[in-house]
Amino acid sequence: EAGVAQSPRYKIIEKRQSVAFWCNPISGHATLYWYQQILGQGPKLLIQFQNNGVVDDSQLPKDRFSAERLKGVDSTLKIQPAKLEDSAVYLCASSLGGGTETQYFGPGTRLLVL
Amino acid sequence: GDSVTQMEGPVTLSEEAFLTINCTYTATGYPSLFWYVQYPGEGLQLLLKATKADDKGSNKGFEATYRKETTSFHLEKGSVQVSDSAVYFCALSDRGTGGFKTIFGAGTRLFVKA
Repeated sequence: EAGVAQSPRYKIIEKRQSVAFWCNPISGHATLYWYQQILGQGPKLLIQFQNNGVVDDSQLPKDRFSAERLKGVDSTLKIQPAKLEDSAVYLCASSLGGGTETQYFGPGTRLLVL
Repeated sequence: GDSVTQMEGPVTLSEEAFLTINCTYTATGYPSLFWYVQYPGEGLQLLLKATKADDKGSNKGFEATYRKETTSFHLEKGSVQVSDSAVYFCALSDRGTGGFKTIFGAGTRLFVKA
């Protein structure tokens, strides 16, 4: 069974530029999560989708971050414009449902904003 | 709100030593508790979980018991190996107003010396 796929693995941009990350969850998983992991900290949930609907985006900085999950499968997370403090690893995870099931994580995208 | 606190690292042990990584939590409901592990160069993966009080999760020689009275979920292993060197994250998943939310601790880095 294929795992959660993310691309790109690394990205370096200058502040005020835009960037987009892509995630393809495990086939059949209804719930998709985007996390931000700043160096030395645990992952922080940015947004959670159930199929193609948003369940929780309370910690998403909506003035610069946006995410979509068209057709309830893969998802993109965009930052526009980027700030220095956005430098982090962006993790995508998926689970079968939206309860307390195990989440399966992708390898992450490491973003550096200069 | 809900939170997870785990002991700061790094923790450095010799091979075959006993490991304890402390984790305590605060939650308004009755959360499920997890330990995730991140090996060097890899994504997060579930190590073990417990869904109700007094449950014991176990995997690969690691154990953790859900203690509601002390709001703790400490990770233990009787004899660590060099291959256990990784970052360990304690996490909880609890029902909130917008559905289930997962909160991670800051992570504890473990180094095991041969």
